[in-house]
Amino acid sequence: DIVMTQSPDSLAVSLGERATINCKSSQTVLHSSNNKNYLAWYQQKPGQPPKLLIYWASSRESGVPDRFSGSGSGTDFTLTISSLQAEDVAVYYCQQYYSIPPHTFGQGTKLEIK
Amino acid sequence: EVQLVESGGGLIQPGGSLRLSCAVSGFSVSSHYMSWVRQAPGKGLDWVSVIYSGGSTYYADSVQGRFTVSRDDSKNMLYLQMNSLRAEDTAVYYCAKEYSSGWYFDYWGQGTLVTVSS
Repeated sequence: DIVMTQSPDSLAVSLGERATINCKSSQTVLHSSNNKNYLAWYQQKPGQPPKLLIYWASSRESGVPDRFSGSGSGTDFTLTISSLQAEDVAVYYCQQYYSIPPHTFGQGTKLEIK
Repeated sequence: EVQLVESGGGLIQPGGSLRLSCAVSGFSVSSHYMSWVRQAPGKGLDWVSVIYSGGSTYYADSVQGRFTVSRDDSKNMLYLQMNSLRAEDTAVYYCAKEYSSGWYFDYWGQGTLVTVSS
């Protein structure tokens, strides 16, 4: 199984500042046949289910604010929030869908306001 | 509008059984890959099981042989039969729709809490 490791486990950022969350996979999630990274990011607020933010490592889901962006390739990925808003306080998860089943998730990164 | 609504959770003793249901609207469960994902209290996301559109099923090692996923196409429902429950199965269980043929999860239900305790 592919192991997903996120860093840091928690992060405190001031409003309006940039937040960066990293995700590393134990093996590549880049499919050579289509040059796509099989990596998604989710946001989960307290008491709510996860919400899809980013897929194919950098494609933003419809309705997701453009302050959210994803980057990276192969085994190293980043979720960036360019200007943190109060409503972005949540736990963020990465997930690989390159080698499934099983789908595997990172352990989560808790984002708070400094 | 797509909706997934789980039900069937509750308090159950170790060794007991429970069946979770997921009522789906807005798309046909028979046409999509459907998963169950759980989240223990204060913990991260843990994939449990999937049923493919063709009917094949797969399970996490931790539940293999104890859990069974199924669907009723006529009712547009997804189910998770959980037997021989253990304390470590305590979690919120989400049903989730996979985009296309088993990629990312584009829709999630609100979840149902299963508590395994004596």
